[in-house]
Amino acid sequence: DTEVTQTPKHLVMGMTNKKSLKCEQHMGHRAMYWYKQKAKKPPELMFVYSYEKLSINESVPSRFSPECPNSSLLNLHLHALQPEDSALYLCASSQDEGGGGNEQFFGPGTRLTVL
Amino acid sequence: RKEVEQDPGPFNVPEGATVAFNCTYSNSASQSFFWYRQDCRKEPKLLMSVYSSGNEDGRFTAQLNRASQYISLLIRDSKLSDSATYLCVVNIWANSGNTPLVFGKGTRLSVIA
Repeated sequence: DTEVTQTPKHLVMGMTNKKSLKCEQHMGHRAMYWYKQKAKKPPELMFVYSYEKLSINESVPSRFSPECPNSSLLNLHLHALQPEDSALYLCASSQDEGGGGNEQFFGPGTRLTVL
Repeated sequence: RKEVEQDPGPFNVPEGATVAFNCTYSNSASQSFFWYRQDCRKEPKLLMSVYSSGNEDGRFTAQLNRASQYISLLIRDSKLSDSATYLCVVNIWANSGNTPLVFGKGTRLSVIA
């Protein structure tokens, strides 16, 4: 199984809502990532989890809260978002975080619209 | 200077053409190099890793020149299905272990019938 799955595929939320994005992989990878991608731009790294611990937070606003319940799951909790947060949110995983040749595999993404 | 720079697109080529993409990176500590392709409104998919000796996968050939800090991707006999954005991606290995991927802005390829 070389697949990273994400739910939901699409999400529309108001600025006062609380929602969560979910990501799952069963490749035994120990590093998982959240990226944000706006149209015609490359993915921007948000968070990295390594062995279920947060290792990188790229100065992401606190309205985005990541959680790694176990080595296969990664959540992104959303609260009080702004319209400019509308984007494609991508989850990725890799065998581990460091070292050479560590390809990342991406999920299909959640397309988020904040009204 | 941007960390990873790619040819500005778009590249519009006829079917069957050979097309080359170039990419330069600024951090000499970069250790791993990849080409990803991304279709419109889809996730990036790993196309190939790039090794110092160069590597080939069917119609695709990737080259790395560490001295010039330069990576290339050559696509021969272009197909309509090759139309996508191609992302040059670099991984910097550090003793701290924190090595996020650094993405170029991507080059858009349109293969025309």
